[in-house]
Amino acid sequence: QVQLQESGPGLVKPSETQSLTCAVSGYSISSGYYWGWIRQPPGKGLEWIGSIDHSGSTYYNPSLKSRVTISVDTSKNQFSLRVNSVTAADTAVYYCARQRGSLDVAEYWGQGTLVTVSS
Amino acid sequence: DIQLTQSPSFLSASVGDRITITCRASQGISSYLAWYQQKPGKAPKLLIYAASTLQSGVPSRFSGSGSGTEFTLTISSLQPEDFATYYCQQLNSYPITFGPGTKVDIK
Repeated sequence: QVQLQESGPGLVKPSETQSLTCAVSGYSISSGYYWGWIRQPPGKGLEWIGSIDHSGSTYYNPSLKSRVTISVDTSKNQFSLRVNSVTAADTAVYYCARQRGSLDVAEYWGQGTLVTVSS
Repeated sequence: DIQLTQSPSFLSASVGDRITITCRASQGISSYLAWYQQKPGKAPKLLIYAASTLQSGVPSRFSGSGSGTEFTLTISSLQPEDFATYYCQQLNSYPITFGPGTKVDIK
C-alpha cells in the first residue's frame, strides 16, 4: 500500500532554511496524483502549504509562497519542501500527503515530523 | 481565502450518542468539502469527501451532508475509537483551507 515518510532536521535556527523530504513507497510518483505538504503548529489546526505533480507543476499557499519551494525527484520517488527565512511561527509538525488532484483531498499521509525553530 | 468555521469547538459526549458537527464556509463552495479525523500524535484520516461520500473503509456510522456554505458531519452512534478532533476542509478554490477543528471528548 502507499506509504509516505518525512525526514529532515528537527531543529532549525531562526532565519535559516528548513528542508524536508518525503519518501514514497508502494506507488510511483511518476504515475500521477499530486503530492502535498501540510503543517500543524503544536496544539493548533492544519495549514495547507502546497503541492506538486510528477512534472513539477506546483501550487502554493499565498501566505507562504514567497518563502516556500516544493520540488520532486521521480528517480528517487520522493518530493521535498524548503522553507526560507524561518521564524518561531514555522515551528510545527509537517506532514506530507498524496492528494487526489491539485485541488483535492489528501488520502494518504505520512506520520509527520516536528520541526522546531529555535536558536 | 475561503474561511471555514466549525461549531461547536468542543463537544463532550457518551458512547452511543448521536453527534453532529457543523462547518460553515465564508462563501459558497458547492460540495467541495471534506472531513478528517485526527487522534493525538497521529496524522489526519480522510473520512468524507465531496460533502457526503464516505471514504473507503470508513464505518457507515459516519455521514456528511450539505452544500453551498453549510455542512454537517454526523456520527450516528459514537464509539470509543471516535473520540478525536474533526476538521473540515474546502477544496473549492486555492488556497486549500481547513476549519479550526472540533474536539470530541468523553463525557
